[in-house]
Amino acid sequence: AQKVTQAQTEISVVEKEDVTLDCVYETRDTTYYLFWYKQPPSGELVFLIRRNSFDEQNEISGRYSWNFQKSTSSFNFTITASQVVDSAVYFCALSESGTASKLTFGTGTRLQVTL
Amino acid sequence: DGGITQSPKYLFRKEGQNVTLSCEQNLNHDAMYWYRQDPGQGLRLIYYSQIVNDFQKGDIAEGYSVSREKKESFPLTVTSAQKNPTAFYLCASTTTGTAYNSPLHFGNGTRLTVT
Repeated sequence: AQKVTQAQTEISVVEKEDVTLDCVYETRDTTYYLFWYKQPPSGELVFLIRRNSFDEQNEISGRYSWNFQKSTSSFNFTITASQVVDSAVYFCALSESGTASKLTFGTGTRLQVTL
Repeated sequence: DGGITQSPKYLFRKEGQNVTLSCEQNLNHDAMYWYRQDPGQGLRLIYYSQIVNDFQKGDIAEGYSVSREKKESFPLTVTSAQKNPTAFYLCASTTTGTAYNSPLHFGNGTRLTVT
């Protein structure tokens, strides 16, 4: 069975600090996809990134970066120079091959960025 | 702008009453989903539909029902059989018939309170 663990329930940082959100996953499949979503106070989840199991290249998008390591089954998300607008709940999710139309979400990490 | 519209944003019902949550999308997506979110928990899949007039149960379908008579619409009924209906409900859709590698597009959610 697939499982996603986000051990950090809540993180508080001061603006401009860097912060890393951890995501550890479990799967028996060799083919799978990992996702990160952001849920701001408005409630709507917003897609941030998708990574397939064959692509271990790290990705950078502006202040966001993602570190995918199959050896440790982790897909961590780093925000550089955090801003108040980054305050949200962040979800990591896993989709295995053969489990069409189904994602397993982690429990989320609430990030609070203060001035 | 294309998107997913959920209504109402807040809904209050008395215990024992059925209630229907609306979800409409104008993204021309084939697949639609209903998730339930409880505090401190990840999203859990209630029902999903990959094509009109067809739908499948998710992980927590008991006490819920859906219909998919039109491509744009996927209403969710919370019946009196659902023991703990108070939660935040999110509707989502994807461009293809599977969420395996397609990011989900989410609505703003409906917060249901049953007393």
